[in-house]
Amino acid sequence: GAVVSQHPSRVICKSGTSVKIECRSLDFQATTMFWYRQFPKQSLMLMATSNEGSKATYEQGVEKDKFLINHASLTLSTLTVTSAHPEDSSFYICSATRQGSTDTQYFGPGTRLTVL
Amino acid sequence: AQSVTQPDIHITVSEGASLELRCNYSYGATPYLFWYVQSPGQGLQLLLKYFSGDTLVQGIKGFEAEFKRSQSSFNLRKPSVHWSDAAEYFCAVGNTGGFKTIFGAGTRLFVKA
Repeated sequence: GAVVSQHPSRVICKSGTSVKIECRSLDFQATTMFWYRQFPKQSLMLMATSNEGSKATYEQGVEKDKFLINHASLTLSTLTVTSAHPEDSSFYICSATRQGSTDTQYFGPGTRLTVL
Repeated sequence: AQSVTQPDIHITVSEGASLELRCNYSYGATPYLFWYVQSPGQGLQLLLKYFSGDTLVQGIKGFEAEFKRSQSSFNLRKPSVHWSDAAEYFCAVGNTGGFKTIFGAGTRLFVKA
């Protein structure tokens, strides 16, 4: 158990367009979901933390108007990159903690975003 | 300041040889410690975790890690490496709820025949 999926796995878009990435917990209810960004050959950088039904908490330096996070249910969180630019190209990874076991994060497979 | 240091950017070991990946942390409270593995283009898979109790923790795929409070370390070990172990390994420290989990920079493991 504790499977997290992301869709799409890979997306290419034109500069100025918006892209939505979905993160789903397939077999458990996620208390909290996290969104990370990973640059090539670097570690994960936490972007934001979201709880179902409430506004996401963004890390310092992350633009909340550019990276819109919606956590509409206990199994789904979405990250929308608005007006994407080439510098937004990155690997985006989500994770989730499950109810009753909040100490461990379960990670999705990641989404590779390329902005042309 | 809270931090995780993985001193080795990359390590190369021969298949069948033993492996130790180093991790040192700085954390104000009692740490929750994790090791994750990431294959190219993939998300992270949890190898093992330490919250309390026995300081030698067993994980999946034959990995183990030992928590040493006096050294602020949580090194990952495997007695015999397989070619399929080649990947990026991340050490992380956090607390309950997963909040503010801090990841190390990662260590890339190469396995040679």
